[in-house]
Amino acid sequence: DQQVKQNSPSLSVQEGRISILNCDYTNSMFDYFLWYKKYPAEGPTFLISISSIKDKNEDGRFTVFLNKSAKHLSLHIVPSQPGDSAVYFCAGKESGGGADGLTFGKGTHLIIQP
Amino acid sequence: DTAVSQTPKYLVTQMGNDKSIKCEQNLGHDTMYWYKQDSKKFLKIMFSYNNKELIINETVPNRFSPKSPDKAHLNLHINSLELGDSAVYFCASSQAPWGGNYGYTFGSGTRLTVV
Repeated sequence: DQQVKQNSPSLSVQEGRISILNCDYTNSMFDYFLWYKKYPAEGPTFLISISSIKDKNEDGRFTVFLNKSAKHLSLHIVPSQPGDSAVYFCAGKESGGGADGLTFGKGTHLIIQP
Repeated sequence: DTAVSQTPKYLVTQMGNDKSIKCEQNLGHDTMYWYKQDSKKFLKIMFSYNNKELIINETVPNRFSPKSPDKAHLNLHINSLELGDSAVYFCASSQAPWGGNYGYTFGSGTRLTVV
């Protein structure tokens, strides 16, 4: 049972344009959502997060939007740069209990084309 | 200066062996974690541990055991290794048990191959 779904295994975007990565979730107990970026042979790097009580959080070129009613969030990167090419993981954190860890999606491989 | 460091980076071993992966964080974080990324690329939590409590994901076999000599270290011991244990194992830490806005800091991973 995938609680966090990233249905696009890969996404190709031209440099300078907007990249939109999507994520759906099923667990209503998530109180935070996080986006991570991962390069090959490296660990995931934290990018940006959003609390479940907000609908938008912005940090530089990165903006995350949350639609709770649709259980959907998206990460916008604008403008896209070559260094943004990586795998992006969406993750949810459940409030209280459990192993207090993150539940990750399968990732979307973003490719920025020159 | 690596914030979360894991050793070894690569580990190839035979079935039935016992092995350990070490993890150290120099961030002063209170909580450490072990995650497993399987062949389908899913990152799944195995354990979380702070100086008070070890929480184990119920799906983790008891052949896996975390050992924390101090707050900055959380090592992963695996007994009687099986082929299905082949994966990339990531250590992580967070400033608070809930991670929150600060996210979790991950190590670069240990690729375990059981032959």
